[in-house]
Amino acid sequence: RKEVEQDPGPFNVPEGATVAFNCTYSNSASQSFFWYRQDCRKEPKLLMSVYSSGNEDGRFTAQLNRASQYISLLIRDSKLSDSATYLCAITGGGNKLTFGTGTQLKVEL
Amino acid sequence: NAGVMQNPRHLVRRRGQEARLRCSPMKGHSHVYWYRQLPEEGLKFMVYLQKENIIDESGMPKERFSAEFPKEGPSILRIQQVVRGDSAAYFCASSITGTGGNAEAFFGQGTRLTVV
Repeated sequence: RKEVEQDPGPFNVPEGATVAFNCTYSNSASQSFFWYRQDCRKEPKLLMSVYSSGNEDGRFTAQLNRASQYISLLIRDSKLSDSATYLCAITGGGNKLTFGTGTQLKVEL
Repeated sequence: NAGVMQNPRHLVRRRGQEARLRCSPMKGHSHVYWYRQLPEEGLKFMVYLQKENIIDESGMPKERFSAEFPKEGPSILRIQQVVRGDSAAYFCASSITGTGGNAEAFFGQGTRLTVV
């Protein structure tokens, strides 16, 4: 089983839709969780950290479920500019940050 | 406060040559990570360094690849005797403390290595 797994998509959604991605991890000792966004041929950009209590930043909400070992990202009121690949990243003990392969989102008119 | 700086942005090498990729972390960051991304693939961890120390090199190929982060100057990822399969985007990230403690890691724009 991969250390970090994501559905590659693509998720094609209309503008204004709500979309959610999940990311599962195998190491129950994982300590830190993040969502990144990567545009084509660009560097990953940190979107938000994920905390046990959940956190929200504008239209974006991240949740952590330790019991089921997954994190989620919810995007409300999708914009065309949200089209990108969304990467989850997890530290599974130590400081090595392991990335999922990413979920591609395409927001359409 | 400048972000993570990588250079060169693009590097072309002939098979058998050496490639040197440089990364200057964000000001105040002493933790550096190198990742490789092949076309249409995810980010693969290569190595994690702190000043003058390699902390985790579990993702580094056993041969031809080396990394350093000297007391002064940028971190260097060195690839000797490059082969076509080394063609990829190489990203560097830095954090103020280790990411295991929830410290956020920020990425540079990457170096795109093409081996011809």
